[in-house]
Amino acid sequence: GEDVEQSLFLSVREGDSSVINCTYTDSSSTYLYWYKQEPGAGLQLLTYIFSNMDMKQDQRLTVLLNKKDKHLSLRIADTQTGDSAIYFCADSSGGSYIPTFGRGTSLIVHP
Amino acid sequence: DAGITQSPRYKITETGRQVTLMCHQTWSHSYMFWYRQDLGHGLRLIYYSAAADITDKGEVPDGYVVSRSKTENFPLTLESATRSQTSVYFCATSRDSGNEQFFGPGTRLTVL
Repeated sequence: GEDVEQSLFLSVREGDSSVINCTYTDSSSTYLYWYKQEPGAGLQLLTYIFSNMDMKQDQRLTVLLNKKDKHLSLRIADTQTGDSAIYFCADSSGGSYIPTFGRGTSLIVHP
Repeated sequence: DAGITQSPRYKITETGRQVTLMCHQTWSHSYMFWYRQDLGHGLRLIYYSAAADITDKGEVPDGYVVSRSKTENFPLTLESATRSQTSVYFCATSRDSGNEQFFGPGTRLTVL
């Protein structure tokens, strides 16, 4: 079946860039999402990319998609302590309204 | 406009009791979902619904029942709670097929 894989933890120093990686198996994925979950809260959409795009930039966030390798990454520039959260990668294909979520990457930002 | 709300936010119950978790949305989104979140498992889909009176099983439906008589409500019932159902439960909605999901704040359920 479809699968989305992420590393579980990432620790960075405040001010550095963070890169969170994700791999997926569904070759028919049309949307790929990054969600952010802050402590004690639900998930919130951070950004998304269509499968026909290679890159999307939104302020401090850069999403890179390598469709050939089925690899998605989220880069956060100038990482701040407020960026500490769990980041979920998810994909959905055109015919399905049920996204497949990765297990989430806990980003820890230390001074 | 609250968007999506869940109640209660916290619940402690005992093994064998019936528990209902409520989910209410004000957007009239067609799709609604129930997930549970556990350490080491990420998010797992319990049940989902494409419209009122249409529901279907997700990855981990055993021990749960859902109904959707109205578009805006999607209650999740644990018929006879077990300790393994201790978890954080999230309700989510989606406007269209493949679109982003909007999550509620979650219900933390403890079964003693």
